[in-house]
Amino acid sequence: ILNVEQSPQSLHVQEGDSTNFTCSFPSSNFYALHWYRWETAKSPEALFVMTLNGDEKKKGRISATLNTKEGYSYLYIKGSQPEDSATYLCALRTSYDKVIFGPGTSLSVIP
Amino acid sequence: GAVVSQHPSWVICKSGTSVKIECRSLDFQATTMFWYRQFPKQSLMLMATSNEGSKATYEQGVEKDKFLINHASLTLSTLTVTSAHPEDSSFYICSARPGVHNEQFFGPGTRLTVL
Repeated sequence: ILNVEQSPQSLHVQEGDSTNFTCSFPSSNFYALHWYRWETAKSPEALFVMTLNGDEKKKGRISATLNTKEGYSYLYIKGSQPEDSATYLCALRTSYDKVIFGPGTSLSVIP
Repeated sequence: GAVVSQHPSWVICKSGTSVKIECRSLDFQATTMFWYRQFPKQSLMLMATSNEGSKATYEQGVEKDKFLINHASLTLSTLTVTSAHPEDSSFYICSARPGVHNEQFFGPGTRLTVL
């Protein structure tokens, strides 16, 4: 059974702090890696799709890196704001239709 | 663009009844739709993948007679939980993918509680 892990499970940071979380996955089954941002009572919102080893993507204050050889991806948030509070999901795509989600990292940004 | 709706957003039903959940892509045609289930404090688990006009492909351990999936049009897929029992209580969420696009777009989910 393939397992996608995320750490930490949750964290609380002060407004203005930068933070990062990790997604770990089995490197032998890699097709693509997705990051989603999921606010309570809303739909998960796609942040990044990453396919190449060494990929680095950026969207505003949020960026992500990918290492397919060792099986991890980092998500960074620079200067956290209260509106960044959400659960951040990573998902390993092992084929065109097969996606395995991690349990998520719940971020709370304290004003 | 790329909005997916789900209806209802929550439902409470009695044990033994059937519940239908609708997933609609509002501004695009979805050749493929996915149904996920989430237990408390756990990951989203893929239940099945459906392509318009063909039978759904169910993941191992998911009973296809229990969870009926219909993808009758390019904008609508339904999940029917038949003869629901309390252990079926969960959060169900769908996603839709346009054509050969690389991305899935999610609905907001449906909270099912079976009494």
